[in-house]
Amino acid sequence: EVQLVESGGGLVQPGGSLRLSCAASGFTFSNFLMTWVRQAPGKGLQWVASIKRDGSEKFHVDSVKGRFSISRDNAKKSLYLQMNSLRVEDTAVYYCARDRAQDDAFDIWGQGTMVTVFS
Amino acid sequence: EIVMTQSPATLSVSPGERATLSCRASHYISSNLAWYQQKPGQAPRLLIYRASTGATGIPPRFSGSGSGTEFTLTISSLQSEDFALYYCHQYNNWPPTFGGGTKVEIK
Repeated sequence: EVQLVESGGGLVQPGGSLRLSCAASGFTFSNFLMTWVRQAPGKGLQWVASIKRDGSEKFHVDSVKGRFSISRDNAKKSLYLQMNSLRVEDTAVYYCARDRAQDDAFDIWGQGTMVTVFS
Repeated sequence: EIVMTQSPATLSVSPGERATLSCRASHYISSNLAWYQQKPGQAPRLLIYRASTGATGIPPRFSGSGSGTEFTLTISSLQSEDFALYYCHQYNNWPPTFGGGTKVEIK
């Protein structure tokens, strides 16, 4: 079964750090661009970051540049999001998602992990 | 950044009726548009990609159309499990952006 499972969310104070992980199974992880998308409580979806298949290129939304960093380990079939200098407005469910091989629609999603930044 | 605008915000439909959801892009995005369904407490699910191609396992009652800046998701005959939130997503330009969503509720 094709699956993505996130972990690493939790409660953190402003200025703190968290590292999210996403474990992939059921497909050849290294063949796909991977992405993090977040959803604040009661709000819509926001793209956060993407990383190319070999990790050579990374892209981040402006609001997290310099604070968050996406990475991957193809040998471990895992995607990561290192989040530093967290802000209250980063509170959200964070989903990892797989980009379709032929275009950039997100065809597989994890169940999400909640990050709460509280003061 | 391309802004995606969905309308209406809420759509009240009776089971068995047709639902038509709209999505407008602030700039030309060709056919690089996807539609997702999200139910409470669940992750989004891909319904349509490339504006009009159904994703694997999606019932044929879901169809997409449009290109350029105007797009439509049609649910031909609403089933109980279709009452949910729907989002459009453009992936023609970086950064990828989503619409604000349309909630389809039972009338």
